[in-house]
Amino acid sequence: AQTVTQSQPEMSVQEAETVTLSCTYDTSESDYYLFWYKQPPSRQMILVIRQEAYKQQNATENRFSVNFQKAAKSFSLKISDSQLGDAAMYFCAYRDATSGTYKYIFGTGTRLKVLA
Amino acid sequence: SAVISQKPSRDICQRGTSLTIQCQVDSQVTMMFWYRQQPGQSLTLIATANQGSEATYESGFVIDKFPISRPNLTFSTLTVSNMSPEDSSIYLCSAGTTFPGELFFGEGSRLTVL
Repeated sequence: AQTVTQSQPEMSVQEAETVTLSCTYDTSESDYYLFWYKQPPSRQMILVIRQEAYKQQNATENRFSVNFQKAAKSFSLKISDSQLGDAAMYFCAYRDATSGTYKYIFGTGTRLKVLA
Repeated sequence: SAVISQKPSRDICQRGTSLTIQCQVDSQVTMMFWYRQQPGQSLTLIATANQGSEATYESGFVIDKFPISRPNLTFSTLTVSNMSPEDSSIYLCSAGTTFPGELFFGEGSRLTVL
């Protein structure tokens, strides 16, 4: 069974600095999707960034980028120029691309604090 | 993208009663899921809502306790039956398409059972 592990329950970063959130996963599939979701205190989950496993290039969305290491099964999120609005719970998630079940596996989350 | 409207946003319920949560998506989606989340915790999948047929439940969740309907592609309901204080939680509706695979979420329904 697939698993997603986030080993950092909580992280802190100074405003304008860079922080990296870690995520590892386990799967025997070769084709899958990986996601980072953000859940601010208002609780609605929103997608931060998405990566398709067959793509070598790391996804980037403005200040958010990933370091996708397929062989190591690692998918870290880098937030550059951190802002107060980045404070939230961040969840790493996995989904098979072709298995047909399409269930999403979420990690336990990392709470990010941004210090002014 | 998809916008998901979920209601009620919160409710306080008495032990032994049932509550139905509604989830409406503004576009056609192939997948709909119901999750439960304790504050500050991760998401636990309750079931996959299947259009026009019985939902697919995860281990630890049963239809009698959490009946789910999905009469069409854009609407689903989750009922929490015979509630106890242990059912106090946030219930999240989510939906998406097979490709590109992004999952969208409602704002959640915070239930408190007294």
